[in-house]
Amino acid sequence: GDSVVQTEGQVLPSEGDSLIVNCSYETTQYPSLFWYVQYPGEGPQLHLKAMKANDKGRNKGFEAMYRKETTSFHLEKDSVQESDSAVYFCAPGGVTGGFKTIFGAGTRLFVKA
Amino acid sequence: GAVVSQHPSRVICKSGTSVKIECRSLDFQATTMFWYRQFPKQSLMLMATSNEGSKATYEQGVEKDKFLINHASLTLSTLTVTSAHPEDSSFYICSARSMSDTQYFGPGTRLTVL
Repeated sequence: GDSVVQTEGQVLPSEGDSLIVNCSYETTQYPSLFWYVQYPGEGPQLHLKAMKANDKGRNKGFEAMYRKETTSFHLEKDSVQESDSAVYFCAPGGVTGGFKTIFGAGTRLFVKA
Repeated sequence: GAVVSQHPSRVICKSGTSVKIECRSLDFQATTMFWYRQFPKQSLMLMATSNEGSKATYEQGVEKDKFLINHASLTLSTLTVTSAHPEDSSFYICSARSMSDTQYFGPGTRLTVL
């Protein structure tokens, strides 16, 4: 079946550190790829997306490259800020034809001031 | 970006009562909406897929008679938790899929059953 694995648990960089949150997926169809961000008590928000191979999603200094050859969509940022602290979900899915988006377990980012 | 609303944002009810949660896509039409449940510090668990004008498709292990879903229009889906019990207490989140296949989420509804 379809699956997605992302960096587990909590990541604790200091402000100004670089960040990589890994995401690898296995799907039976060719997916679009999404990162969602969730703040406490709120629903997830679309953070960035890439619709096909070699596309790069960008938002607020974050980037993720759609790498079909390695089935990965790692989330990266050169210099994190305290305000980036949230839970991030990697989510392959959403192709036409009813493929359901699947969500990773979530990575809790806590940026230390 | 596309906006999805949920109402109510928070509800407390007594055991045995039913609760209805509304999900609306405010600025786009959504033939497909989804309902998720989220436990503290966990990922989203898909409960069902709601298609406009047809019956919802439930995920394995989700009781369709317990969680009634109606998708009466292209902008509205409702989830009714029937005869709620304390174990139904959770954070319920809906999403709507746009024409570009992107899912946009509502702000969530926190249900507490006493």
